[in-house]
Formats: sequence, structure tokens, C-alpha cells
Amino acid sequence: QVQLQESGPGLVKPSETPSLTCTVSGGSISSSYWSWIRQPPGKGLEWIGYIYYTGSTNYNPSLKSRVTISVDTSKNQFSLKLSSVTAADTAVYYCARLDGYISGGFDSWGQGTLVTVSS
Amino acid sequence: EIVMTQSPATLSVSPGDRATLSCRASQSVSSKLAWYQQKPGQAPRLLIYGASTRATGIPARFSGSGSGTEFTLTISSLQSEDFAVYYCQQYDNWPPFTFGPGTKVDIK
Repeated sequence: QVQLQESGPGLVKPSETPSLTCTVSGGSISSSYWSWIRQPPGKGLEWIGYIYYTGSTNYNPSLKSRVTISVDTSKNQFSLKLSSVTAADTAVYYCARLDGYISGGFDSWGQGTLVTVSS
Repeated sequence: EIVMTQSPATLSVSPGDRATLSCRASQSVSSKLAWYQQKPGQAPRLLIYGASTRATGIPARFSGSGSGTEFTLTISSLQSEDFAVYYCQQYDNWPPFTFGPGTKVDIK
């Protein structure tokens, strides 16, 4: 299975636009759908969106106006930008592979990176 | 948006006992239902997809059943490593993919 590793700023200020990156290893990014999912501390999971290696995207309607997901196949990476963040965006952000061909589930996950929004 | 609910919120079980977790969808999701296990400080792990198919490497003590709006995850004989939070997730009608709020299985 592929391995995924998130990287990001950790602490951001309200109204900023943090960028998170997910690096995929052990396989090519050019064969699957790649997602971002977040989890506020002590709460459940929220799907943010996905990108196909071709660049085609699909976003959660509740976040669509603030989310941009992009892919860099040359680096085997994909990224998330979330604009105008507030304290409600404080969460662990996971990148994950969405198996759109067999299981339909998220079958590989990164370890997650905590993004805290605070002034 | 399809809303997923899970019951109970917490299930207290003794090691070796059977655990039965329920998941309900606000409308039919056919069999497009997955289950995940999450331990503290870890990412979720895919257990079941297609409502009843175990993912690669998942022990046979985990089984899933159901279709439409009612689903069940059964752990036949709880091991110490099975105490965790379990989430269901639908992938029939999206966006968005939606998860249930989780069931915490803890030691009785």
C-alpha cells in the first residue's frame, strides 16, 4: 500500500489561507483519487474534497467556497488550501487515498497534521 | 446530503465478548457503506467496504452486514486491540461523502 505524509503550518491566524501538502510514496499519484479529510479535536470526520491525478476535483458543498485542492504529479504530491480560516477550522487534517475502482473507501491515510487557528 | 447516525454512542464490552454496532443512513445507500476503526492518536483504518467485504489484512472476527439504510458491524470476539472508535461512511450519494458520529467501544 502507498504511504502518505502530511505537512503544514501547525499554527495559523484567523483569516489566513494555510496550505497543506500530502506526499505520496510507495506508489504513483497518477492512478487514484486523493482526498483531504479533517477531524476537530474530540469530534468526528468531515470529508473536505478530492482530486484525481488529472486535476479533476470534487468538494464538500459546505466548504467549496473556501477550498482549493491541487496536484503536482512530478512531485507525487497534492495540496489543500483553505481560505479565511476561523477557530472552527481547527482540526487534524488527514490526506487519504480514495479507492474509486474497487472498495469505494478511503484505504490509505496519512498520520494527520494538527492545524490550530488562533491569534 | 445523506446523514449517517450510529448507535450506541459508547459500547462497553468485555474481552472475548461479541460487539454489535449499528449504523443508519437517512436514505438508501444501497451497499455503498464502509466501516473504519480509529485508535487514539491514529488515523482511521478501513475495515469493511461494500457493507460486508473485509479490507486487505482485516481479521475474520470483523464482519459487516446490511443494505439500504440499516447496517451492522459485528466483532465476534473482542481482542484488546479492538477497543477503539468505529465510524461508518457512505459513498453512494456524493458529494459529500459522509461519516457517522462514531461508536466508542471500551472495556467493561
